[in-house]
Amino acid sequence: SQQGEEDPQALSIQEGENATMNCSYKTSINNLQWYRQNSGRGLVHLILIRSNEREKHSGRLRVTLDTSKKSSSLLITASRAADTASYFCATDAIIQGAQKLVFGQGTRLTINP
Amino acid sequence: DAGVIQSPRHEVTEMGQEVTLRCKPISGHNSLFWYRQTMMRGLELLIYFNNNVPIDDSGMPEDRFSAKMPNASFSTLKIQPSEPRDSAVYFCASSLVAGDYSPLHFGNGTRLTVT
Repeated sequence: SQQGEEDPQALSIQEGENATMNCSYKTSINNLQWYRQNSGRGLVHLILIRSNEREKHSGRLRVTLDTSKKSSSLLITASRAADTASYFCATDAIIQGAQKLVFGQGTRLTINP
Repeated sequence: DAGVIQSPRHEVTEMGQEVTLRCKPISGHNSLFWYRQTMMRGLELLIYFNNNVPIDDSGMPEDRFSAKMPNASFSTLKIQPSEPRDSAVYFCASSLVAGDYSPLHFGNGTRLTVT
């Protein structure tokens, strides 16, 4: 299976601290994406990192990718209560001109005020 | 941009009944995906379409499930007959893939409860 697996399954930290979530996957990928899901809502795209990139930043988000270890990490710096959500990694491939995304089980992040 | 629109938001039905979930993708997007989310199994890709054509339906759990995309602005996921184990949140997502990768845009899902 190409499915990514996030670690930890749940993470609870204090506001202002940094939060790090990890993702491992099994097969070769073209790109890896991170998504966020608030309770009762659909997933929202956060950031995409290509297989030839090692690190990418977007605001308070930092994503790393190690293709030799088949792993990625998402770092949220200076966390806020509003960052409380579930975070998913997704690996993708283009099949017959369509992008197929397979998601991991997610990390539930709780930011305590 | 209204985003991906799913209906209904909630559906409660009895076992054996037919259920139809609806999705309107973002205008101009050429790929559409149906996912199912449960606590036990996480997010499962059921089927996806490219330019209204089904590409991969290997995630559809059984013949009781069927999906159609009659045009670029509408898709349905049908379960007939429904069973309690079909209870889940069903998400539709769309994207525009034009030679490069693009993010998926998700609807807010349909929470299905089969009693």
